[in-house]
Amino acid sequence: GQNIDQPTEMTATEGAIVQINCTYQTSGFNGLFWYQQHAGEAPTFLSYNVLDGLEEKGRFSSFLSRSKGYSYLLLKELQMKDSASYLCAVLSGAGSYQLTFGKGTKLSVIP
Amino acid sequence: DTEVTQTPKHLVMGMTNKKSLKCEQHMGHRAMYWYKQKAKKPPELMFVYSYEKLSINESVPSRFSPECPNSSLLNLHLHALQPEDSALYLCASSHLPGGTGSGPQHFGDGTRLSIL
Repeated sequence: GQNIDQPTEMTATEGAIVQINCTYQTSGFNGLFWYQQHAGEAPTFLSYNVLDGLEEKGRFSSFLSRSKGYSYLLLKELQMKDSASYLCAVLSGAGSYQLTFGKGTKLSVIP
Repeated sequence: DTEVTQTPKHLVMGMTNKKSLKCEQHMGHRAMYWYKQKAKKPPELMFVYSYEKLSINESVPSRFSPECPNSSLLNLHLHALQPEDSALYLCASSHLPGGTGSGPQHFGDGTRLSIL
């Protein structure tokens, strides 16, 4: 089975840096995704890691360690609009179709 | 705006009604997905289509009936739904899995379904 853990809630200050951690236990790992989801809206793709290391995309970076079953999403220069849920999702299963989501981390950015 | 288009955005139906949700993408993706998302919960996979054929059915009740008429369209036919089926229904698409997975799944804005 799949087990994906991430903190339920985090609060950070506008302009700061925040790191959202995700640990996973899965069989047949084929990649890890981070999605942003504002309340009542669809998930929006942020980043994808399939090999170990850091992927950087503007203000967002994501890191993966497959041996540790660990990833983090780093958000820099936080803006109020970054207040959202951040979902860690692991791609696995036969055919690599099955995307299993963690429960999400609700990030609140405060002035 | 997303590149995966879902209609309608909102749907209210009675338990005896028959309705359909529609999804369209023009990114050349050959894998398409239906997810169900309840409030404050993550999306849960319902169905996967690969090359217009059903690949995965995650033990979804038969009152939900998916259909993939062509490589760009995905439908979800609804019949005799229950109040607990009220949720956000998300469609997604991706490239087919390759050596390093399928790449990201791109989501539509969803249909918010309410069953009376």
